[in-house]
Amino acid sequence: DQQVKQNSPSLSVQEGRISILNCDYTNSMFDYFLWYKKYPAEGPTFLISISSIKDKNEDGRFTVFLNKSAKHLSLHIVPSQPGDSAVYFCAASAYNTDKLIFGTGTRLQVFP
Amino acid sequence: NAGVMQNPRHLVRRRGQEARLRCSPMKGHSHVYWYRQLPEEGLKFMVYLQKENIIDESGMPKERFSAEFPKEGPSILRIQQVVRGDSAAYFCASSPPLSGRDTEAFFGQGTRLTVV
Repeated sequence: DQQVKQNSPSLSVQEGRISILNCDYTNSMFDYFLWYKKYPAEGPTFLISISSIKDKNEDGRFTVFLNKSAKHLSLHIVPSQPGDSAVYFCAASAYNTDKLIFGTGTRLQVFP
Repeated sequence: NAGVMQNPRHLVRRRGQEARLRCSPMKGHSHVYWYRQLPEEGLKFMVYLQKENIIDESGMPKERFSAEFPKEGPSILRIQQVVRGDSAAYFCASSPPLSGRDTEAFFGQGTRLTVV
């Protein structure tokens, strides 16, 4: 039972354009959402998070949008840079636990 | 302020041997999580521990796998009688309580277990 889904295994974007990574969830108890970035042979690193009381959170080139009614969130990266090429994981946590549930990841490739 | 430290980075075991993976959380963090990543898959939750307590082990296989986080020392993930299917990257993360909803879990660089 995959509670957090990233339906696009890969995404290819030209440098300077916007990258949009999507994530859907099924558990209505999730109230905190995070995005992690992972390079090969390294651990995931935190990018940005959003609480369910918000619908948008911005940090530099990264913006996360949350649509609670659709149980959907997205990560926007603009402008995309070659160094953004990595696997991006969406994660969620329910209000009664600190456990993070991860999606399967989307591999982003930013080409010049 | 060192990050989450995992060792070893790479571990090779023959079928039937035991594997011990260690994780030292960030200073001041009392919560430790173990995740497993199989090739071409996402991160699967295994277990969540606080000092001397297992909070949630719903992702742990019922047999051969165990985890501890003693009062002193690192957290240990132990796999007995390893099989080829245990080959994966095992990641540890630590955090203060996330219930404050303004923190995140920090990951170590992982231990790559190869069972031959």
